[in-house]
Amino acid sequence: EDQVTQSPEALRLQEGESSSLNCSYTVSGLRGLFWYRQDPGKGPEFLFTLYSAGEEKEKERLKATLTKKESFLHITAPKPEDSATYLCAAGRGGSNYKLTFGKGTLLTVNP
Amino acid sequence: DAMVIQNPRYQVTQFGKPVTLSCSQTLNHNVMYWYQQKSSQAPKLLFHYYDKDFNNEADTPDNFQSRRPNTSFCFLDIRSPGLGDAAMYLCATSRALSSYEQYFGPGTRLTVT
Repeated sequence: EDQVTQSPEALRLQEGESSSLNCSYTVSGLRGLFWYRQDPGKGPEFLFTLYSAGEEKEKERLKATLTKKESFLHITAPKPEDSATYLCAAGRGGSNYKLTFGKGTLLTVNP
Repeated sequence: DAMVIQNPRYQVTQFGKPVTLSCSQTLNHNVMYWYQQKSSQAPKLLFHYYDKDFNNEADTPDNFQSRRPNTSFCFLDIRSPGLGDAAMYLCATSRALSSYEQYFGPGTRLTVT
């Protein structure tokens, strides 16, 4: 069974304090690893897709990386507006299109 | 702007009273999905439509049904809501089944009294 596990469940940072969120996955024939941001009471907002080990993607203060077993979302010098839940999802290859989501990491950045 | 729209944003229904949630999209995507998300949980896929082809997840209760009358609209029908069906319901779209980038609507928060 495909599994995606995110850690930590919650993370509190001071503004400017860099850190990383982890997403470990066991998915047969990974097709892609996806990061989403979800604000309270809203739908997930697409951030990144990573397709192969070693790939990196960046957007403003966020950088996502991928290995064969896990992905990291690095947050550099975060600001309070980066506070949100960050969801990771893995898609398997072949005819099974389904995304398997993790439970997310709730990030709070204090000013 | 191209987008995924869900109505209503908040829905209150009574135990056992049928309810319909609506999703529309201007992205012209072929695939539309419905997810259920409970507090602090991962989104759980209920079913999806690829064009007019309906695909139900094996563990989706029979109480949940869906309709897609055209490319732009998709509905989620809950025939007899129970207290355990209170959740956020998310609609998402993607260009194709092989294109895993899914774009989500803002969600409908369902309360069952």
